[in-house]
Amino acid sequence: AQSVAQPEDQVNVAEGNPLTVKCTYSVSGNPYLFWYVQYPNRGLQFLLKYITGDNLVKGSYGFEAEFNKSQTSFHLKKPSALVSDSALYFCAVSRVYSGAGSYQLTFGKGTKLSVIP
Amino acid sequence: NAGVTQTPKFQVLKTGQSMTLQCAQDMNHEYMSWYRQDPGMGLRLIHYSVGAGITDQGEVPNGYNVSRSTTEDFPLRLLSAAPSQTSVYFCASSLGQGVDYEQYFGPGTRLTVT
Repeated sequence: AQSVAQPEDQVNVAEGNPLTVKCTYSVSGNPYLFWYVQYPNRGLQFLLKYITGDNLVKGSYGFEAEFNKSQTSFHLKKPSALVSDSALYFCAVSRVYSGAGSYQLTFGKGTKLSVIP
Repeated sequence: NAGVTQTPKFQVLKTGQSMTLQCAQDMNHEYMSWYRQDPGMGLRLIHYSVGAGITDQGEVPNGYNVSRSTTEDFPLRLLSAAPSQTSVYFCASSLGQGVDYEQYFGPGTRLTVT
């Protein structure tokens, strides 16, 4: 079964400092990895995904993520944090089923990012 | 486009009552799904549909029914509400079911069962 771990419930970072939100995964076969962000009282918004190709993926709002196959990680990063980045971040993994089967997203528990002015 | 809409935004039920959470999308998406979000547990898939007339169970389907009579609508029914179903429910849709397709989420329905 596929799974995702976000080891930190909360990450605090000062505005202007780099931020990292960690994610590790477990899946058989090729992993397809996603990051979503949830602002208060809102649904999830897609940030970026890794399907294949370059290990460094760039996404919305200046975020990027690095896929590391040997460490089974997909950490979310941003060079300079903004107060408006404060939100709940979810990592997700998907496995493509063969034939006519569907794919399903498995989400991590979420990491609350607080950017301190 | 309105995107993915959900009604109601908030609902309080008594144990044993039934209700339907509505979800609609105007993007002509084939794939729709329902998730529940509980503190410290992320999102868990309840049911999903790959097109009108086709539904299947996700990770936590017990206590919930779905149907998909049109491409636009994907209602979630609670037949006999239980306190364990207190949660925030999100509906999502995507153009297809492959990993190339971004999922779009609705704003959520916060359900409390007393």
